[in-house]
Amino acid sequence: DAKTTQPTSMDCAEGRAANLPCNHSTISGNEYVYWYRQIHSQGPQYIIHGLKNNETNEMASLIITEDRKSSTLILPHATLRDTAVYYCIVRVPYNNNDMRFGAGTRLTVKP
Amino acid sequence: DVKVTQSSRYLVKRTGEKVFLECVQDMDHENMFWYRQDPGLGLRLIYFSYDVKMKEKGDIPEGYSVSREKKERFSLILESASTNQTSMYLCATTTSGVPYNEQFFGPGTRLTVL
Repeated sequence: DAKTTQPTSMDCAEGRAANLPCNHSTISGNEYVYWYRQIHSQGPQYIIHGLKNNETNEMASLIITEDRKSSTLILPHATLRDTAVYYCIVRVPYNNNDMRFGAGTRLTVKP
Repeated sequence: DVKVTQSSRYLVKRTGEKVFLECVQDMDHENMFWYRQDPGLGLRLIYFSYDVKMKEKGDIPEGYSVSREKKERFSLILESASTNQTSMYLCATTTSGVPYNEQFFGPGTRLTVL
């Protein structure tokens, strides 16, 4: 069973922030939140991960609610090349049989 | 940079054929994975391997087998291809011993079984 719930699709204007939500209400204490994206005809690409603190890297920011039941991936200045399917996953690190991707959110960045 | 390569980007086979999909990585990663990806279903784990000659079943192993004779190479085998195995197949690798072990994916093989 999927551990996460994401909207099926979202649009965003080029240059604006894209905010992608993810619901993971059954997350357990030792599970991390990971985000990947998949650009058309390519394999998924890691973006960011977090446990309970907000995280930022060169690609995106991850905001995790205090109760850890949901999170938001933020692309601060979306470009056309950010058009992709974004996957939110919760899993325990080191647990290699726990990589389950749901259907993800298809983000379309429009000019 | 980690490089994960897959033997073919596109493959067309006939029902009943034996199909080999190969994945090679150049980063000395211990763990390798095979997924299939179908519209609306996300990625589903078929098999994974955490060491040479070791394998573990994922969520949908039926109709598939795997082989890991060398650390850098992980093969997915369809013993007798069927039309319901038409899909995108993705290989991934990850190392052990880091706290968050992100997965690195190959470009995928789109297999069509006629």
